[in-house]
Amino acid sequence: ELKVEQNPLFLSMQEGKNYTIYCNYSTTSDRLYWYRQDPGKSLESLFVLLSNGAVKQEGRLMASLDTKARLSTLHITAAVHDLSATYFCAVDSVSGYALNFGKGTSLLVTP
Amino acid sequence: DTGVSQDPRHKITKRGQNVTFRCDPISEHNRLYWYRQTLGQGPEFLTYFQNEAQLEKSRLLSDRFSAERPKGSFSTLEIQRTEQGDSAMYLCASRSFKGVNTEAFFGQGTRLTVV
Repeated sequence: ELKVEQNPLFLSMQEGKNYTIYCNYSTTSDRLYWYRQDPGKSLESLFVLLSNGAVKQEGRLMASLDTKARLSTLHITAAVHDLSATYFCAVDSVSGYALNFGKGTSLLVTP
Repeated sequence: DTGVSQDPRHKITKRGQNVTFRCDPISEHNRLYWYRQTLGQGPEFLTYFQNEAQLEKSRLLSDRFSAERPKGSFSTLEIQRTEQGDSAMYLCASRSFKGVNTEAFFGQGTRLTVV
C-alpha cells in the first residue's frame, strides 16, 4: 500500500523565518504534486515536480524532488502571514490511477 | 467555466436518508476522481473514472456508496442509508492525461452533515 508521510503535521513559525516541510513516499513514482488548502476551501495546485532533481519556485515557496530518496521538500523563505494554510503533497499510485495524499502540514505564520 | 464544479455545496441530511452529489469536470479532462476529506485529514481517495469506466475503487467505498459517470462527462456519487460517520467534505477532481499524468484540479467540494 502506498504511503505518503509529511512532517511536521503542525508548524507555527514567526514571520520572516525560514522552514522546510518534508514529504516521504513509498513508491517509485517520478512525479510529485504540492497543493495548498485554506480553511473551508478546496485544494489549489502549487507545484508539479516531474523528475528527479526537479526544483520549482514561486514567491517564497520552493519545492524539490529526490526520487532516489523518495523525498520532496517544500521550503518557505521569510514567511509571511498570507502563507498560513495547510500544505499537502501527493503521489500517483503504482497503477497510475489514484492520486494519494499525505495528511497535510498545517502552517501558521505569526507576527 | 473553466473549473471543476460541484453541486450542492452543502447538504444536511437525516441518518438513513440517501444523498446524491454531482460533479462537472473540466471539459477536456477524461480522468475524474472522488475524494473524502474529514477535519484535519488529507483527502482520501474513493474512486477513479477514465472516461465512463470506473477503473479503481478504494476499500473505503462501501456498498452503500456508488458512483457513475455516464457518457464520460459529469459524475454522480450516491450514498445510501447515510450514517453519521459519512459526514465529511466530498471533493471531486479532474485531470488530463497527455502521455503522463498532469496535475489534478479540484472542485469546491460538497460538505455533507448527517444528523
